[in-house]
This record gives sequence, C-alpha cells and structure tokens, in this order.
Amino acid sequence: DTGVSQNPRHKITKRGQNVTFRCDPISEHNRLYWYRQTLGQGPEFLTYFQNEAQLEKSRLLSDRFSAERPKGSFSTLEIQRTEQGDSAMYLCASSLAGRGLAGSYNEQFFGPGTRLTVL
Amino acid sequence: GQQVMQIPQYQHVQEGEDFTTYCNSSTTLSNIQWYKQRPGGHPVFLIQLVKSGEVKKQKRLTFQFGEAKKNSSLHITATQTTDVGTYFCAGPMRSSSNTGKLIFGQGTTLQVKP
Repeated sequence: DTGVSQNPRHKITKRGQNVTFRCDPISEHNRLYWYRQTLGQGPEFLTYFQNEAQLEKSRLLSDRFSAERPKGSFSTLEIQRTEQGDSAMYLCASSLAGRGLAGSYNEQFFGPGTRLTVL
Repeated sequence: GQQVMQIPQYQHVQEGEDFTTYCNSSTTLSNIQWYKQRPGGHPVFLIQLVKSGEVKKQKRLTFQFGEAKKNSSLHITATQTTDVGTYFCAGPMRSSSNTGKLIFGQGTTLQVKP
C-alpha cells in the first residue's frame, strides 16, 4: 500500500495522560499536514511541515501539542496532559509541492486517521 | 477570520434524484478543492478548480467555480447509493502563501435512499 498510513487507528486514554500518533506519508511527498476533525465538521488545520521543517502551527494548537518530522519522512504528533476536549479524529495528509499527477496543485492525500477518545 | 461555509448540511434524496451542494468563502480564493469522505473513511480528493467561472465534469459530477472565485458548487446527476458520504469544499488559507494549507467547509452529508 503506497498511501498515507497512520498508527494507531484508535486510542483511548485517561485525562492527563500523554499520547503520541504516527503518520507515514507517501514517500515522495515533501509536505505533511496534521488536521483535527470532530463530528459534523470539516478537517481543521493544526500544523504543516515542508520536508523536516515545521513551517506553521495553528493558533488553535496549544503548547500541549507538539509535532516532529525527523529526516523529512514520518511524523509524530504528541499531546501531553490530554483533556476531554482533545477527543477527535486526528488526520494526517501529505502532498507534493507543485503540480500533482492530476495536474492540480497541492492535492492532499489523507491517511485513515487516529481516533482519540479521552475519558 | 476567513470562513468557508457549505449548505445544506444534510441532504436526503431518493436514488436517481439530483443533488447539489453549495460552498461560499468569505474571501477570494486562488483555487478550490473538493473532497469526499465516505462514512467511517477519510477525505479523498475529487477535483481542483482554478479559473474564474471554471466548470469541470467527472461522469455524473459537475463542479463549478464562481466568477468572483468566492463560491463553488457540486452537482450530482441521478444519484446512486455509491454517492453516499460527506462532500467538503476547501480553499487555501489566506496566510498560506502557496504552502497548500487548506480551510475546509463543514461539509454536506448526502444520504441516498435506494
């Protein structure tokens, strides 16, 4: 499977615990995005990497959230001291800067997501 | 702040009926993308529109970008049960400077009765 993969698919944790999610993008994609999606809403931008550099972080992202992309390959998203309000689907997407195969710019390929439930 | 709104939020149709979802942006967009998310699935890219007034077709799906590049629509002719899902429009975030960051609408969920 050459698509975007995410692990784990589901995570249940108790409030106050730390959790870490992993995303493996499509190998030749240099851009990687993290989004959060809650029920009935569209994906909401959290942070963005170009290669290994984290170029932007949403103001919505508190300092309990940190993301890394060592060596410009896979990425991890860590949430410290989880809160019930962190319960959501965390989606990772990757893209190739410039024109994609379909002739479109910045077409994003999403992974299956990690569903986080904080009890 | 920048907003992308979609209407309706939900639509139930009989199989064979047509369906349209509308997307409106608070700002002019350089392009607009459409994604489909099946129940329990993840968003999948459908198409991107770039030019003012652009119309693109994919089989029974017709996508349109408004002249002012602030609105868009997706029309499905003769819906089938395979069309079930949530359709999202998304545009570049105003500060994106071609980074590809997207702001999504809240989506229109389509249910098709066989």
